[in-house]
Amino acid sequence: RKEVEQDPGPFNVPEGATVAFNCTYSNSASQSFFWYRQDCRKEPKLLMSVYSSGNEDGRFTAQLNRASQYISLLIRDSKLSDSATYLCVVNRGYGGATNKLIFGTGTLLAVQP
Amino acid sequence: DGGITQSPKYLFRKEGQNVTLSCEQNLNHDAMYWYRQDPGQGLRLIYYSQIVNDFQKGDIAEGYSVSREKKESFPLTVTSAQKNPTAFYLCASSITNSPLHFGNGTRLTVT
Repeated sequence: RKEVEQDPGPFNVPEGATVAFNCTYSNSASQSFFWYRQDCRKEPKLLMSVYSSGNEDGRFTAQLNRASQYISLLIRDSKLSDSATYLCVVNRGYGGATNKLIFGTGTLLAVQP
Repeated sequence: DGGITQSPKYLFRKEGQNVTLSCEQNLNHDAMYWYRQDPGQGLRLIYYSQIVNDFQKGDIAEGYSVSREKKESFPLTVTSAQKNPTAFYLCASSITNSPLHFGNGTRLTVT
């Protein structure tokens, strides 16, 4: 079993739809969590950190469920420009040590006109 | 503009040759990292360095080497000992307790 698991998709949704991705992690000692966005053949870029209380950034909402060991990303009112691969990233290091980041394989989102 | 620059964007080499990938950052970040990305797999850590003149092996260091002689630079050498070198290589940097910033990557093809 992978330490971080994501549904690879693709998720094909129409413009304006709401879409949600889940990501599960196996190491209960994981300390911090992130969602990155990666466009085709480009580098990953930080979308948002995920906080215990949940957090929102415009159309994007991230949630963390430590008891069930999963994080989620909700995208409302999908835009064509949201089409990308969304990477779930878990840090199992202490003190924010970034050498302990574990990347999921990503979920591909394709927003259709 | 501050950022991380990787060069070249595309690199082609014959099997058995060593090749060095460049990574330079002007963000004044202490930590730098090299990752490899293959289709269907998450990014995997090759090497990282948290200060100048010091670096540590990541999860898949075999067949790779690095140096960190300057804060701004963290070159990666892919040696002939690396069995499957064809991949997308990503360099990243960060300050303590902050997310990673990635360079735009180098696609290495070895034939």
